[in-house]
Amino acid sequence: ETGVTQTPRHLVMGMTNKKSLKCEQHLGHNAMYWYKQSAKKPLELMFVYSLEERVENNSVPSRFSPECPNSSHLFLHLHTLQPEDSALYLCASSQARTSGNSYEQYFGPGTRLTVT
Amino acid sequence: KNQVEQSPQSLIILEGKNCTLQCNYTVSPFSNLRWYKQDTGRGPVSLTIMTFSENTKSNGRYTATLDADTKQSSLHITASQLSDSASYICVVSGLGGGGNKLTFGTGTQLKVEL
Repeated sequence: ETGVTQTPRHLVMGMTNKKSLKCEQHLGHNAMYWYKQSAKKPLELMFVYSLEERVENNSVPSRFSPECPNSSHLFLHLHTLQPEDSALYLCASSQARTSGNSYEQYFGPGTRLTVT
Repeated sequence: KNQVEQSPQSLIILEGKNCTLQCNYTVSPFSNLRWYKQDTGRGPVSLTIMTFSENTKSNGRYTATLDADTKQSSLHITASQLSDSASYICVVSGLGGGGNKLTFGTGTQLKVEL
């Protein structure tokens, strides 16, 4: 549980606010991920950072802006969000994936975001 | 299109009873399949992982099976406990793009009652 931490755990923001979600991993991993989890829908991969470089951006609106200053920290900057962006935002980390190898992702507890 | 379908969507059982959750996938080429447990308000935690050549794997009271020919997996929970109440998510890893792509199921919501 303490391997990947996320703050805040809960966030309520208006559509004109700017906020940031923070994720920190203490597992020595070098890949980090942001996922969105909405009710009754599969987890949606948003961004992937591997070795501090963004390697994947799954058509996420520009109102979500990730930042990975080092291999242990990951941020998700939020601005002018919409009510449909309300969801659980999960951070995960793993060893950087290589061709033919898949490494287990360890998830944080998530930030429950409500956009009003 | 890669998909993972889980059934049932939700399940209620009495404490001490067994249950089996199903996962069907269309991910190809296949790399591995994981079952995650997600407690309310927490992130998913891995229970088991199986590769193409593995048919069954156990983790305590949890036993996962894999039939790579029919692309089906099951998670069997024995002697259920109240703490087993959670969402169980099937995740299939496929090969492609120089690495592995994960496809998530929507999960089965299990509730264990007294």
